[in-house]
Amino acid sequence: EVQLVESGGGLVKPGGSLRLSCAASGFIFSNAWMNWVRQAPGKGLEWVGRIKSKADGGTIEYAAHVKGRFTISRDDSKNTLYLQANSLQTEDTAVYYCVTGQYFDFWGQGTLVTVSS
Amino acid sequence: DIVMTQSPDSLAVSLGERATINCRSSQSVLYSSNNKNYLAWFQQKPGQPPKLLIYWASTRESGVPDRFSGSGSGTDFTLTISSLQAEDVAVYYCQQYYSNPYTFGQGTKLEIK
Repeated sequence: EVQLVESGGGLVKPGGSLRLSCAASGFIFSNAWMNWVRQAPGKGLEWVGRIKSKADGGTIEYAAHVKGRFTISRDDSKNTLYLQANSLQTEDTAVYYCVTGQYFDFWGQGTLVTVSS
Repeated sequence: DIVMTQSPDSLAVSLGERATINCRSSQSVLYSSNNKNYLAWFQQKPGQPPKLLIYWASTRESGVPDRFSGSGSGTDFTLTISSLQAEDVAVYYCQQYYSNPYTFGQGTKLEIK
């Protein structure tokens, strides 16, 4: 059974940083393309970024609104995906989901990031 | 960026009736080299993460009931629920995975009439 468990969310002040993690199991993580998608409270879905498998080049892509502030990485030995979020702004407040694959086939339960003073 | 526009924003349908949700992309998401539309549909129920229903515009994800179907090509797509069940109440999103940024529609809220 595929499982994705996000962690690391919480309350942070504007300008602060957080590191989110996503622990994966039930599939061959090293072969998977992985995404981060976020959802602000009561709002729609917004893609944050993606990292391809090393076999597919390990390419990392970001949405323009987070490029330069957020960094996606993976540790295939630990079956874990990361999102380092720096210079957080109030508009980054959202549930952050870890999602597998090119067509976003499996989603974790999400972790809530709240940016507020 | 490719803008995804869904219609309607909300929809109320009687149990057992057909529900149709439309999605239009601001540019084609059909990749000519493999003739595939890079378009997916998701269902999100309150308090839950989204769930993939349809990918490649018309391929049903494993385990998804066959009352859900996707159609369309290029820039115009449709999600159809052939006979609405109570458990289908949710917000539905389309998404293009053709080009960065991989954008979602604004969502369509489906309710029971």
